[in-house]
Amino acid sequence: DAKTTQPNSMESNEEEPVHLPCNHSTISGTDYIHWYRQLPSQGPEYVIHGLTSNVNNRMASLAIAEDRKSSTLILHRATLRDAAVYYCILRDYQSGGGADGLTFGKGTHLIIQP
Amino acid sequence: DSGVTQTPKHLITATGQRVTLRCSPRSGDLSVYWYQQSLDQGLQFLIQYYNGEERAKGNILERFSAQQFPDLHSELNLSSLELGDSALYFCASSVAPTPRDGYTFGSGTRLTVV
Repeated sequence: DAKTTQPNSMESNEEEPVHLPCNHSTISGTDYIHWYRQLPSQGPEYVIHGLTSNVNNRMASLAIAEDRKSSTLILHRATLRDAAVYYCILRDYQSGGGADGLTFGKGTHLIIQP
Repeated sequence: DSGVTQTPKHLITATGQRVTLRCSPRSGDLSVYWYQQSLDQGLQFLIQYYNGEERAKGNILERFSAQQFPDLHSELNLSSLELGDSALYFCASSVAPTPRDGYTFGSGTRLTVV
């Protein structure tokens, strides 16, 4: 799978939007972009995924650059409960891919200030 | 509660011993994945089962083995334990073997080898 680059940590204030960047300059045309987060003392939690178009769900929005070499996870109004490590993961499901689990990097540690 | 149940939550054992970790997937999910999370290695995929059959292997040591039973619960067996095996072990489940829309993780078993 192609590699992703994320900042080690970011800080934001409660009730403000948060934009978490992810660079994936070697992304292939069939790589899906996934975001997971891991709250303290819990297992990872699926947040959102997309291929080419921007995506919205109840948890967040995913903005994908036109060239797909970067993406941004947007939390519209951060709360203290959003403090977690956020992982950006690429996954290619073609050619039998996707069956061997996810490759988690170090992610971005998001700190929310009250 | 994610719907994925892992037992026990905590386990302390001595080097050289053998332990069994148990995972009950979310209702309706056929696929089970095991991950190991240690401080120095991050989250690493170990093995996947789908409907009772092994489907993919990751960085699983030969001292470790797993199986998925007819009722779809899974067990991860760790033997000849070493200090370096101390980690959080997560189980995840999904309906399909290659889910684009995410896996559901349990809250993990913390293994401490002394």
